[in-house]
Amino acid sequence: GAVVSQHPSRVICKSGTSVKIECRSLDFQATTMFWYRQFPKQSLMLMATSNEGSKATYEQGVEKDKFLINHASLTLSTLTVTSAHPEDSSFYICSANRGNTYEQYFGPGTRLTVT
Amino acid sequence: TQLLEQSPQFLSIQEGENLTVYCNSSSVFSSLQWYRQEPGEGPVLLVTVVTGGEVKKLKRLTFQFGDARKDSSLHITAAQPGDTGLYLCAGYLSGGSYIPTFGRGTSLIVHP
Repeated sequence: GAVVSQHPSRVICKSGTSVKIECRSLDFQATTMFWYRQFPKQSLMLMATSNEGSKATYEQGVEKDKFLINHASLTLSTLTVTSAHPEDSSFYICSANRGNTYEQYFGPGTRLTVT
Repeated sequence: TQLLEQSPQFLSIQEGENLTVYCNSSSVFSSLQWYRQEPGEGPVLLVTVVTGGEVKKLKRLTFQFGDARKDSSLHITAAQPGDTGLYLCAGYLSGGSYIPTFGRGTSLIVHP
């Protein structure tokens, strides 16, 4: 158990457009989901914490109006990159906690390329 | 300053060698996890340690949680090319929330 999916796995978009990334917990309910950004061969950078039914909590330096997060249900959170620019190109990964536990289960990631 | 100092950052070794990766902090953690990540994929949980002094083994991988729950190590015996990847430690601060703190990661390459 504890499978997290992400869609799409890869996306290429033009500068100025918006892109939505979905994160789903397939076999458990996730009270909390997390969104990370990762640069090549570097660790994960937490962008925001998403709780079902409430506003996301963004980390310092992350623009909440640019990275819109919605956690509509206990199994789905979405990240929308609005007005994307080439510098937003990155690997975006979501994760979910199963209940209030100390373990996170990660999605496979989404490679975003903005041209 | 990183809350969780992970070292080394890069490691390139030959097949059959042993290696150890360290995660150190001045803070106490309720729990600490080790993950392995391959390029283009999400991290995969290897182990969770919660008790000071705890040692867990996963085939050729040995994980240890420090007695004071401030540090942890991952030891790989007789490394194989399939062990290549990014190893991440993540800790949950004692008395804190369920938001983990990640180390910088260790990029391991095992040459055949």
